[in-house]
Amino acid sequence: DSGVTQTPKHLITATGQRVTLRCSPRSGDLSVYWYQQSLDQGLQFLIQYYNGEERAKGNILERFSAQQFPDLHSELNLSSLELGDSALYFCASSVAGGGWDEQFFGPGTRLTVL
Amino acid sequence: ELKVEQNPLFLSMQEGKNYTIYCNYSTTSDRLYWYRQDPGKSLESLFVLLSNGAVKQEGRLMASLDTKARLSTLHITAAVHDLSATYFCAVGPRVRGGADGLTFGKGTHLIIQP
Repeated sequence: DSGVTQTPKHLITATGQRVTLRCSPRSGDLSVYWYQQSLDQGLQFLIQYYNGEERAKGNILERFSAQQFPDLHSELNLSSLELGDSALYFCASSVAGGGWDEQFFGPGTRLTVL
Repeated sequence: ELKVEQNPLFLSMQEGKNYTIYCNYSTTSDRLYWYRQDPGKSLESLFVLLSNGAVKQEGRLMASLDTKARLSTLHITAAVHDLSATYFCAVGPRVRGGADGLTFGKGTHLIIQP
């Protein structure tokens, strides 16, 4: 158990809908990263927040957005969902924001878009 | 664009044998990570390699890093069934403090047969 928690564990929804995934980092970690894992794209970095501010953007679609709240938990919002958005979404956390710290991964949220 | 290539992508081996997984990356980085993923599960951190020539060992797994060759290896000694999993290498940001998530290889799916 890495200490990173994610909810929900599974999510099934329809195309065109909007969902919110939630992540709580390990105690003491200030950075949260979001990754998407799919069969065709592999593991891709989406976005990083550090102490409430956006720090880095990866291959995140415009339909997706994220934020980090004062208590450091983060939410990833996915809207206008398409079949291709079905994937495992991981959140990871690290102590600082430099990107060189070890990242600890949560259990993931499996999103199925029908 | 940073590229990370692993090979092989699929490996079936017998218990008791030795084998090596290779990870090449395309641009300068001094931090290389190895993760393990069991089916449907999260990523478990195995090794963080911080500098050229770094070697780390844990049980039957040993990882090394050659930053000049941009190559890391994960060596499995006397494999046992419990090591069956998918192994990912990932490269950290190119510049210390740089704002980037991890860039992952496609993963090596390892099956160890009795």
